[in-house]
Amino acid sequence: NAGVTQTPKFQVLKTGQSMTLQCAQDMNHNSMYWYRQDPGMGLRLIYYSASEGTTDKGEVPNGYNVSRLNKREFSLRLESAAPSQTSVYFCASSEAGQDVQPQHFGDGTRLSIL
Amino acid sequence: DAKTTQPPSMDCAEGRAANLPCNHSTISGNEYVYWYRQIHSQGPQYIIHGLKNNETNEMASLIITEDRKSSTLILPHATLRDTAVYYCIVRVVGGSYIPTFGRGTSLIVHP
Repeated sequence: NAGVTQTPKFQVLKTGQSMTLQCAQDMNHNSMYWYRQDPGMGLRLIYYSASEGTTDKGEVPNGYNVSRLNKREFSLRLESAAPSQTSVYFCASSEAGQDVQPQHFGDGTRLSIL
Repeated sequence: DAKTTQPPSMDCAEGRAANLPCNHSTISGNEYVYWYRQIHSQGPQYIIHGLKNNETNEMASLIITEDRKSSTLILPHATLRDTAVYYCIVRVVGGSYIPTFGRGTSLIVHP
């Protein structure tokens, strides 16, 4: 089982460039999430999608957009990258509603913006 | 969702039990306690969760106080591979799930 797969694993961008981080899960989960983690910090929620066709802002959404392409895939886009967006980005998925099942995380995308 | 408080760091000798505390004094009756850990450079990994009863699985045990205002994650025989950051979070099941991961507890297991 692949679980949650994130691509790419590493990326270096110049300020002002755009890129899309990809995330796919094979567990048939309804909910998907994007977090960022800065050095020495916990995870901060950027956006989440409670179910296919819906997206909502989290704690730090500015500078990002998301697309829930289908039930499996949830992408994160940086339209004009800034050095402050240098971070490790984690995607996660989980069941939703009444289920107590936990989140499953990918291994992250390490993004550096020069 | 209620907030949690954890010590920033702890250490433990290999082979001994590691007891990681978490305070969640504002927890409400329908909130579960979840524990995750993050080994360096990897994504967080689920460990265990519980509502009010103590829970045990192959990874750890979770002890929740009777008033549910605090809990302890127990790694019964810590190994060097258990060195990680451990996160305690609480969440309402069935509501809008926006989990918050604070800085957690950095556990160092030494030989």
